Amino acid sequence: AQKITQTQPGMFVQEKEAVTLDCTYDTSDPSYGLFWYKQPSSGEMIFLIYQGSYDQQNATEGRYSLNFQKARKSANLVISASQLGDSAMYFCAMREGPGQAGTALIFGKGTTLSVSS
Amino acid sequence: NAGVTQTPKFRVLKTGQSMTLLCAQDMNHEYMYWYRQDPGMGLRLIHYSVGEGTTAKGEVPDGYNVSRLKKQNFLLGLESAAPSQTSVYFCASSYSPVAPAVGEQYFGPGTRLTVT
Repeated sequence: AQKITQTQPGMFVQEKEAVTLDCTYDTSDPSYGLFWYKQPSSGEMIFLIYQGSYDQQNATEGRYSLNFQKARKSANLVISASQLGDSAMYFCAMREGPGQAGTALIFGKGTTLSVSS
Repeated sequence: NAGVTQTPKFRVLKTGQSMTLLCAQDMNHEYMYWYRQDPGMGLRLIHYSVGEGTTAKGEVPDGYNVSRLKKQNFLLGLESAAPSQTSVYFCASSYSPVAPAVGEQYFGPGTRLTVT
């Protein structure tokens, strides 16, 4: 079974609109972290936002927020006021466990976001 | 402060040839990783290291070897390249991810490898 599922291969949004990118995860570990990365067409991976499984509040970083619904095992990324520069591939990723054993990230297959003017 | 650098950026190999990809980081990170990215597959972990002199297998380690002789460097080797190893390879590094630290990973620019 997939650990990280991103069901939207592509999303389209107009500038200044908000967009939600879906991510569901599967783990039995009570301690885990969820990450979102952005990969523009240039190829680099850019860290956007993090949510820990014990965090009480949803994470926010500027125009990015993470809608964390623990019972549903979902960690959707919300981008407010989209900009042309937001056009990129977005990856949801999970790290299981609190320590060294759970150090690596498990990635979803990604969602391509296209922002139009 | 260059962050994470990878050498080379592009390479074309013939089946059976060998090569080494070099990853270097200047952030004094303990943890380093090698991933491969294939179309429609996201990133998959090949090997990782939790400190100088240590390495461990990830999800897709077959056909690859690694070494971490210095803290700042993590080498990925292909002893006998196969067309199935055509991919984009990313190196990453991080501080300790032990909670409550976030331990986000910083990625290099990638190496595009083609095996013919």
